Amino acid sequence: DIQMAQSPSSLSASVGDRVTISCRASQSITTFLNWYQQKSGTAPKLLIYAASSLHSGAPSRFSGSGSGTAFTLTISSLQPEDFATYYCQQSFSTPQTFGQGTKVEFK
Amino acid sequence: EVQLVGSGGGLVQPGGSLRLSCAASGFRFSIYEMNWVRQAPGKGLEWVSYIGSTGTTTSYTDSVKGRFTVSRDNAKNSLYLQMNSLTVEDSAVYYCARAALMDYDSSNNWFAFDIWGQGTMVTVSS
Repeated sequence: DIQMAQSPSSLSASVGDRVTISCRASQSITTFLNWYQQKSGTAPKLLIYAASSLHSGAPSRFSGSGSGTAFTLTISSLQPEDFATYYCQQSFSTPQTFGQGTKVEFK
Repeated sequence: EVQLVGSGGGLVQPGGSLRLSCAASGFRFSIYEMNWVRQAPGKGLEWVSYIGSTGTTTSYTDSVKGRFTVSRDNAKNSLYLQMNSLTVEDSAVYYCARAALMDYDSSNNWFAFDIWGQGTMVTVSS
């Protein structure tokens, strides 16, 4: 199975900050990488697919980059509604494994 | 409105069984691949099972193989997860999720889980 490792596990930030979350795969997954946002008590929502494509309806302050084994999710200017947990997921092979999550908290 | 509505969760004793359902509406259910994803309390997301659009292809995470069975009824726009021999480690919120083809080229298809159900809680406890 492909292992996905996110860093950091949590971070504290303020409204307006630029936030970067990293995701690393245990082997190359080219660009088969998705990012999801999950707010407490609700289902995850798709933000980014194919490593860098913004899902319809996701705010443009979210962006993704990377290929191979190293990927990044960036929030250009953190908004109050962005405080949540973010997960990467590889869709390269079954099982489609998720990272352990990164919780973005209010500083 | 495009939506998935999960149901069937509850409290069950270790060794017991439960059948989860997921009702789809607002889209052509029969052409989409579907998945089950679970989340134990305070933990991250774990993919559990996949089923192809016609129901003939399925796959499972190792920890549930031989105990869980995924199925679908395209005539009823419904997805199911039959869970047998449940253990305390199976306690989680179970989400159904639609796998959509987001992009493609001559060699690759990029899928993502674009629609999720609201989740149904399964608690395995004596």
